[in-house]
Amino acid sequence: QKEVEQNSGPLSVPEGAIASLNCTYSDRGSQSFFWYRQYSGKSPELIMSIYSNGDKEDGRFTAQLNKASQYVSLLIRDSQPSDSATYLCAVSGSSASKIIFGSGTRLSIRP
Amino acid sequence: DADVTQTPRNRITKTGKRIMLECSQTKGHDRMYWYRQDPGLGLRLIYYSFDVKDINKGEISDGYSVSRQAQAKFSLSLESAIPNQTALYFCATSDASGQKDNEQFFGPGTRLTVL
Repeated sequence: QKEVEQNSGPLSVPEGAIASLNCTYSDRGSQSFFWYRQYSGKSPELIMSIYSNGDKEDGRFTAQLNKASQYVSLLIRDSQPSDSATYLCAVSGSSASKIIFGSGTRLSIRP
Repeated sequence: DADVTQTPRNRITKTGKRIMLECSQTKGHDRMYWYRQDPGLGLRLIYYSFDVKDINKGEISDGYSVSRQAQAKFSLSLESAIPNQTALYFCATSDASGQKDNEQFFGPGTRLTVL
């Protein structure tokens, strides 16, 4: 079992709709959770961090964390073509000294 | 100017050659990391350093070495490059600031091809 799992996609969502990206992790002691956006050929860019159970909203982005079920999700409201990218979920383990990345979900927003 | 820079941005080399990839940052962060990214495998940690005197192996350190020359500089070396080290290499930094100490910021990447 991978430490951080994501569906590789591609996930195709119509423009203006809500895109929902999911991630599960194996280390129950994990403390910090991150979503990065990566455009093709570019470096990952941090878009959301979440540290406690529940929802965290930032503009069109909402991160949701459920530690009991060991999943974290990212919702993107009013999806735009510029949201088309690969989204990487990252989790810091119980040792908290480094983070583990999932392999990413490719999101495509269709006009 | 970019906060995290990497040189070179692209490099093609031959099997057996020694290669050094360099990373510099102006963010004032203590922590620096080297990752490689391969299609379908995500980002994998090679080495990380929490300060100038601290070097730690990541999950795939074999065939690589690092040097932390200063707080702002962290270099990755391939002593004898082999074709399966062909990948996209990223440097990242983070601040040792408690809860946010794992929020990492990435350089633009170096695309390395080993023939």
